[in-house]
Amino acid sequence: KQEVTQIPAALSVPEGENLVLNCSFTDSAIYNLQWFRQDPGKGLTSLLLIQSSQREQTSGRLNASLDKSSGRSTLYIAASQPGDSATYLCAVRRRNYGQNFVFGPGTRLSVLP
Amino acid sequence: EAGVTQSPTHLIKTRGQQATLRCSPISGHTSVYWYQQALGLGLQFLLWYDEGEERNRGNFPPRFSGRQFPNYSSELNVNALELEDSALYLCASSLRGTTGNTIYFGEGSWLTVV
Repeated sequence: KQEVTQIPAALSVPEGENLVLNCSFTDSAIYNLQWFRQDPGKGLTSLLLIQSSQREQTSGRLNASLDKSSGRSTLYIAASQPGDSATYLCAVRRRNYGQNFVFGPGTRLSVLP
Repeated sequence: EAGVTQSPTHLIKTRGQQATLRCSPISGHTSVYWYQQALGLGLQFLLWYDEGEERNRGNFPPRFSGRQFPNYSSELNVNALELEDSALYLCASSLRGTTGNTIYFGEGSWLTVV
């Protein structure tokens, strides 16, 4: 059974800091891993998608890495801003399980002005 | 280009009733996914439809069902509503075919069972 965990559960930082969010998964048989952002009471916004054959992806101030063999991914946010405050979720797309994603519980990020 | 759209935004039902939620995928997307996000809990996979057929379902009772129409829109039906069905129901869509496709989510439908 695929399990996805995220550390830390919550994080509060002052504006301008660089930060790292962690995602771990137990089964390395994945197609890809995707990072999402969710604002309170809203849907999910896709941030980055990393294929299983890739090591990292970058979009603006965001950089995500994937180490499939160790079951880990990190999301790096540079120069954090108050607008980055949200819950960040990672999800792995499982092989041989009908392409459904398994989501982590999320990291709730607060960036203080 | 329109994103994934869901309706209604909010729905209040009483226990025992039925609820129907609707989802329109991004144009060109043939796969539709349904997820449940109960308060304080993570996203739980409900159903996956592709090309009009149910391809996979999560660990939910049979009273959670749905279908996908020829235009690839989808609806989720929840029968015999229970209080614990109160949650945000999220629909997502993706292109069919390769498993490397990004999935895109709608804003969700809030279901409250009283």
